[in-house]
Amino acid sequence: DTEVTQTPKHLVMGMTNKKSLKCEQHMGHRAMYWYKQKAKKPPELMFVYSYEKLSINESVPSRFSPECPNSSLLNLHLHALQPEDSALYLCASSPRQGMVEQYFGPGTRLTVT
Amino acid sequence: AQSVTQLDSQVPVFEEAPVELRCNYSSSVSVYLFWYVQYPNQGLQLLLKYLSGSTLVESINGFEAEFNKSQTSFHLRKPSVHISDTAEYFCAVSAVRGSTLGRLYFGRGTQLTVWP
Repeated sequence: DTEVTQTPKHLVMGMTNKKSLKCEQHMGHRAMYWYKQKAKKPPELMFVYSYEKLSINESVPSRFSPECPNSSLLNLHLHALQPEDSALYLCASSPRQGMVEQYFGPGTRLTVT
Repeated sequence: AQSVTQLDSQVPVFEEAPVELRCNYSSSVSVYLFWYVQYPNQGLQLLLKYLSGSTLVESINGFEAEFNKSQTSFHLRKPSVHISDTAEYFCAVSAVRGSTLGRLYFGRGTQLTVWP
């Protein structure tokens, strides 16, 4: 299995909702990443987990809350989002943090109304 | 830190023509170099990578890129493009060591559009 899966593919939520994005990989990778990508822009790093511990937080607002329950699973909990948070959220993994390339999932298209 | 410059935001070409997408980088430490491709409404797919060794790297679908250390470049080329190559292409670098380990630095992207 050489892929990263993300669910849901699309999500529409109101500003008062609480929702979660899920990312899964079964490649034995010990580093996992969340990126945010706006239209026609490159991905922007949000969080990095290394061995299930938060390694990097790129000063992301607290309305985004990451969680890594085990080495295969990465969640992003969303609460009280703003319309400007609408974007494609990409998950990625790599064997170790900083080691070789990152493998990306297909993304979750989030729309905040 | 590292930075990447993709000089062209859009590159239109006709089918079967050659194409070059330019990428320059800046870094005070050694880097790994990558090209990712993103088709509409999809995630990023790794196209090719330079880690070490031969400076010319090739992908399975006919793309190639050459690492030029003196010019700090990693341009992407294909001798004959297909309509299916239409996509956004991102050049990225990652430090081999140091405080920025684990971060991928992306260029702004180049939209390649292949016309029939």
